[in-house]
Amino acid sequence: DAGITQSPRHKVTETGTPVTLRCHQTENHRYMYWYRQDPGHGLRLIHYSYGVKDTDKGEVSDGYSVSRSKTEDFLLTLESATSSQTSVYFCAISESVVLDTPRDLLEQYFGPGTRLTVT
Amino acid sequence: AQKITQTQPGMFVQEKEAVTLDCTYDTSDPSYGLFWYKQPSSGEMIFLIYQGSYDQQNATEGRYSLNFQKARKSANLVISASQLGDSAMYFCAMREGRANSKLTFGKGITLSVRP
Repeated sequence: DAGITQSPRHKVTETGTPVTLRCHQTENHRYMYWYRQDPGHGLRLIHYSYGVKDTDKGEVSDGYSVSRSKTEDFLLTLESATSSQTSVYFCAISESVVLDTPRDLLEQYFGPGTRLTVT
Repeated sequence: AQKITQTQPGMFVQEKEAVTLDCTYDTSDPSYGLFWYKQPSSGEMIFLIYQGSYDQQNATEGRYSLNFQKARKSANLVISASQLGDSAMYFCAMREGRANSKLTFGKGITLSVRP
């Protein structure tokens, strides 16, 4: 199993409060991702990082920010949580190797998830 | 248009039988990859199988195989000899382009294996 941990695993918070979720990896992989999972939507990408201090937005980035100051850590922050951000949040990692063959990018490995409830 | 479409309702299969989970995709990029993940009731996401757009043969991993029909843009997952532990949600996902590492997921299919 890939070494990916998420903290906290469960959190209940009130509307309007800031929340930070942490993803930590021990694989030294370059790419890290934050997804949210909601019923009927599958997993949707929030933000991702392609290196230290290199991040970009995903499909559902409004209301979220991220930071990556070290290879192993990727933080997701909800500056002012809203009830619509109640969800299960997954972190994922992948290593990308650009080869001469068309098969280049490898699969993503996921953390255990964080269940966030905003009341 | 949806990039990944999984439209089957909840699927049921008898233990030891084979089952096919459907996935269609939409992309204009000639280089792409297709992934299947399993999510059991415990919640973790487990990578199952990968198919590259240039792969000449269908991918196989143990009891999992991918029926890749490029012209139809379908990448169906076949599970042979179903086991009770196969009961889970299954997600199809796609990566588009060689320089892109992001995945787009379908909405998932629930599979229930009956004893």
